[in-house]
Amino acid sequence: DVVLTQTPVAQPVTLGDQASISCRSSQSLVHSNGNTYLEWYLQKPGQSPQLLIYKVSNRFSGVPDRFIGSGSGSDFTLKISRVEPEDLGVYYCFQATHDPDTFGAGTKLELK
Amino acid sequence: QVQLKESGPGLVQPSRTLSLTCTVSGFSLTSYGVSWVRQPPGKGLEWIAAIWSGGSTDYNSALKSRLSISRDTSKSQVLLKMNSLQTEDTAMYFCARRDYAYWGQGVMVTVSS
Repeated sequence: DVVLTQTPVAQPVTLGDQASISCRSSQSLVHSNGNTYLEWYLQKPGQSPQLLIYKVSNRFSGVPDRFIGSGSGSDFTLKISRVEPEDLGVYYCFQATHDPDTFGAGTKLELK
Repeated sequence: QVQLKESGPGLVQPSRTLSLTCTVSGFSLTSYGVSWVRQPPGKGLEWIAAIWSGGSTDYNSALKSRLSISRDTSKSQVLLKMNSLQTEDTAMYFCARRDYAYWGQGVMVTVSS
């Protein structure tokens, strides 16, 4: 199975700062159809995960443009510019290129 | 609008079989697949299983021998069964539409005698 390694485990931030989360895959996430099915989710306490980014860099409906996904192959990054209080929680990367689907272990975005 | 709702027993004894139901509305199971994801208390997300719109299935490699996923399209339901439950299976169980744009609220399952 594909292993997704997220770093850091926790990211302390000051509101208004930029945050960056890395996700590295144990193998390339480029599908045979040319797409890369790497997604990012945010889970707030007591809530279900919510989709932020799909296919590396596409923001889901309603997601603010301060969330920017990038990367290729097996190396991906989520950047959050100007962190706001509603951005705090645990971020997960996820791949659906290779069966079975797998999640990263999560990165907790928290206040300094 | 699109909704998913999980249901199942809150408490299951060790070694027994867990049966969970995901009831969907706002979309057809023949147009979208459904996945199950679980989260032990205080831990991360673990993908468990999926049933595609065409009816094919995929399973978490580590759990495959204990899992079965099926669907009843007439009832708009996806069924997940997991046998030989252990305390480590205690978790919140979520179902999600296969594009993961929509999730249920989750159902907490505790494995304990």
